[in-house]
Amino acid sequence: EAGVVQSPRYKIIEKKQPVAFWCNPISGHNTLYWYRQNLGQGPELLIRYENEEAVDDSQLPKDRFSAERLKGVDSTLKIQPAELGDSAVYLCASSRGQTTNYGYTFGSGTRLTVV
Amino acid sequence: RKEVEQDPGPFNVPEGATVAFNCTYSNSASQSFFWYRQDCRKEPKLLMSVYSSGNEDGRFTAQLNRASQYISLLIRDSKLSDSATYLCVVNPFSGGYNKLIFGAGTRLAVHP
Repeated sequence: EAGVVQSPRYKIIEKKQPVAFWCNPISGHNTLYWYRQNLGQGPELLIRYENEEAVDDSQLPKDRFSAERLKGVDSTLKIQPAELGDSAVYLCASSRGQTTNYGYTFGSGTRLTVV
Repeated sequence: RKEVEQDPGPFNVPEGATVAFNCTYSNSASQSFFWYRQDCRKEPKLLMSVYSSGNEDGRFTAQLNRASQYISLLIRDSKLSDSATYLCVVNPFSGGYNKLIFGAGTRLAVHP
C-alpha cells in the first residue's frame, strides 16, 4: 500500500510570503493529522480531521494558519504570512478510524525554512 | 509540566551494549502507548506499541507502569543501525478520538 505522500519536500520562502503544503493520506484512512516538529523537539499536533471535518484545531495558530480537507481525502495546510518562527518540519499522518489503538503513519514531511 | 517527558540524551554506547530509555507521562487516563524511532532528517516511524503486560520484539523490550505513569524501552545487543532518536508517545484518547502526544525524544548513538 502506498504511504502518506507529502509535497513539497523542501520549501524556502521569505518572511511575510504565503506557503502551502499538500498531503495525500493512505487510501481508506479517514483520520488525517498535521503536526509541526521544531528542531530537537517531538512533533506537536496542529489539526486533526475526521473525514472532511476538523475535530481538533485547538493548537492551530488561526491568525495565520489555515487548513482544509475537501472531500475527506487530500489536505492542504497554508501559512499566510509566514514568520521566521514558522521554520520547522510539517508532518502529515493518517490513521484508519477514530478509535484505533494503533499508532499512525507519517509522511516524509515538508521542511520549511523562512528567511 | 510537559505531557510526555524524556531524557534527551545523547546516550553513547558501544556495539553490543544494553541501553534503556525511560519516559513519564502526566495524563493518568492515557489509553495507549508507543515508541517511535526517528532517523536524522526522516519522519518518525512506529517501533512498537507498549502493553500493560510488557512486550518484546527481538532485541527490543517495552514496559509500562501505569501506577507510576512510566514507560521504558530496553535495547539489547545494540547495533550501529540502532543510532536514532527514540520518541515516547502517549495516546490520551480524549473525547473518544485518537491523538498522539510525543515526547521530545532520546538520542542514541551506537559506536564501534
